[in-house]
Amino acid sequence: AQKVTQAQTEISVVEKEDVTLDCVYETRDTTYYLFWYKQPPSGELVFLIRRNSFDEQNEISGRYSWNFQKSTSSFNFTITASQVVDSAVYFCALSWGGGSQGNLIFGKGTKLSVKP
Amino acid sequence: DVKVTQSSRYLVKRTGEKVFLECVQDMDHENMFWYRQDPGLGLRLIYFSYDVKMKEKGDIPEGYSVSREKKERFSLILESASTNQTSMYLCASSLSLTGVMNTEAFFGQGTRLTVV
Repeated sequence: AQKVTQAQTEISVVEKEDVTLDCVYETRDTTYYLFWYKQPPSGELVFLIRRNSFDEQNEISGRYSWNFQKSTSSFNFTITASQVVDSAVYFCALSWGGGSQGNLIFGKGTKLSVKP
Repeated sequence: DVKVTQSSRYLVKRTGEKVFLECVQDMDHENMFWYRQDPGLGLRLIYFSYDVKMKEKGDIPEGYSVSREKKERFSLILESASTNQTSMYLCASSLSLTGVMNTEAFFGQGTRLTVV
């Protein structure tokens, strides 16, 4: 079965702290794709990153970085020097199979609160 | 910019009513999705469509149906609304690149439906 687990329901940090959001996935497919989305208080989900199963290279984009480890089926997201504007719900998601598949499932999300 | 537009931001309907939620995307995407979002449960897939007139059940299709007569429009139908269908409904679309990769989904702003 395909599954995405975000064990952290809520995290609260003080501005400028680093924070890591965990994501563990399950899939029997060898070809799959992992995503992170941000949902600010306004409600609209914003795409952050996509990773395919054949590319384990970690990625950094400004204060954001992602660590993909197939050995532990994890795709963790770190925010360095957090800011109040980072406060949002963050979702990890999984898609599998070929490009014509419409499947896309989400974890339950982690609510991040960054306090000034 | 990809635009996914949901017809209403807020809706209040009575139990037993037939409810239509409309979603339109302007980027010629093949895939379209309907999710519902509830506190503590994350996003759950109701239905998705990978082409005109094609649809697949997601994780929680009971009590819902969908219609995709044109590529840009994907409608979610509550045949007889019930109070347990009070939720936030999110529409999304994504490009299908067969055999290449699964692309990210773009989301609408959501429709908060209250059934009384």
